Amino acid sequence: DILMTQSPLSLAVTPGEPASISCRSSQSLLQVNGINYLDWYLQKPGKSPQLIIYMGSNRASGVPDRFSGSGSGTDFTLTISRVEAEDVGVYYCMQALRGLTFGGGTKVEIK
Amino acid sequence: EVQLVESGGGLVKPGGSLKISCVASGFTFSKFTMNWVRQAPGKGLEWVSTISSSSTYIYYADSLKGRVHISRDNAKNSVYLQIDGLRDDDTAVYYCARAVGSSSADDFWGQGTLVIVSS
Repeated sequence: DILMTQSPLSLAVTPGEPASISCRSSQSLLQVNGINYLDWYLQKPGKSPQLIIYMGSNRASGVPDRFSGSGSGTDFTLTISRVEAEDVGVYYCMQALRGLTFGGGTKVEIK
Repeated sequence: EVQLVESGGGLVKPGGSLKISCVASGFTFSKFTMNWVRQAPGKGLEWVSTISSSSTYIYYADSLKGRVHISRDNAKNSVYLQIDGLRDDDTAVYYCARAVGSSSADDFWGQGTLVIVSS
């Protein structure tokens, strides 16, 4: 099984400041086709998860450009360039190389 | 408008069985892989099962293999999850989701149906 480890567990951010979340996989998620099988989700309070980044660095439809994904292989980062109040919730990374495995989640709150 | 509406959750006794359903609308259901993902109260997300568009490929999480069965009926735009031998730790919101992990932006999730396993 591929294990996914996120850090930190929680993050309190001042509006307008940046935030970064790290995700590490136990096996490389980079395939010979050049695709990293790593997605990022945001689950807002009381809502279903929504896709924000797919294939490591591609923003999903309607996702603001303050969100960006980077990394390759086993180490990935989700960055919010300027956090807004609507960005609060729990962020999950997910590998899609073999089955699906989610990271434990990172809770983002506003200071 | 794309919609996924789950139903069939509820209170079930340990050892019992349950079949939950998801009806899709607003897109060509038969073209998409479908998934079930669950979330225990206050916990993270756990993948349960995936079924390909024509049911050719079916995958289960190791933790549930042998107790769950996924199926779909493209004529009814529906996907189902049968869970047998229910245990307390199966208590969760079960989400139906389209194209999760498909390396595309086609991802879409329903609102979930709550399954509570308790005596």
